[in-house]
Amino acid sequence: DAGITQSPRHKVTETGTPVTLRCHQTENHRYMYWYRQDPGHGLRLIHYSYGVKDTDKGEVSDGYSVSRSKTEDFLLTLESATSSQTSVYFCAIGDQETQYFGPGTRLLVL
Amino acid sequence: DAKTTQPNSMESNEEEPVHLPCNHSTISGTDYIHWYRQLPSQGPEYVIHGLTSNVNNRMASLAIAEDRKSSTLILHRATLRDAAVYYCILNNNAGNMLTFGGGTRLMVKP
Repeated sequence: DAGITQSPRHKVTETGTPVTLRCHQTENHRYMYWYRQDPGHGLRLIHYSYGVKDTDKGEVSDGYSVSRSKTEDFLLTLESATSSQTSVYFCAIGDQETQYFGPGTRLLVL
Repeated sequence: DAKTTQPNSMESNEEEPVHLPCNHSTISGTDYIHWYRQLPSQGPEYVIHGLTSNVNNRMASLAIAEDRKSSTLILHRATLRDAAVYYCILNNNAGNMLTFGGGTRLMVKP
């Protein structure tokens, strides 16, 4: 594996509560990404980062914010979770050619 | 973004070669052809990528048509562990997002 971990691995929360997912890498990659995957769909990009404090929106960024205060950590925050944000969230790290994915976080919003 | 078209599913027998096709008729000159696969309950895993020439690595081979409008991922001897969803993705290797389509679900029969 490419030295990437996600925490928590599973989370159940209630609608309206804030949730933060953490992605941690030990590979010193410049790029980090957050994707979500829903049943029957491929992965869709939420936000990505191309350096410390440098982030940009992806395809499905509404309702999500991110922060990257150091190279190794990329945080995804749901300010006020909704049931439509129930999903599996994957973090990825990479260079310009290849991305390496974490094991995923299963989030259930009740 | 240039799109790819893949069959929804394919079947193979164990220890036989598998040829997974991908059409990308609108590919641009700077697009690389990437293949990732996703095993059940795991994050996607990089398989191989190429630009114009055929490529080989320990996991698979990538055959790219001369006009680059199609490519084929070749697994030389399928094993049960190769059962996964295989994604063909075009990327300009600029560190940007990967756009995942539906992929091909490969089933391997013993």
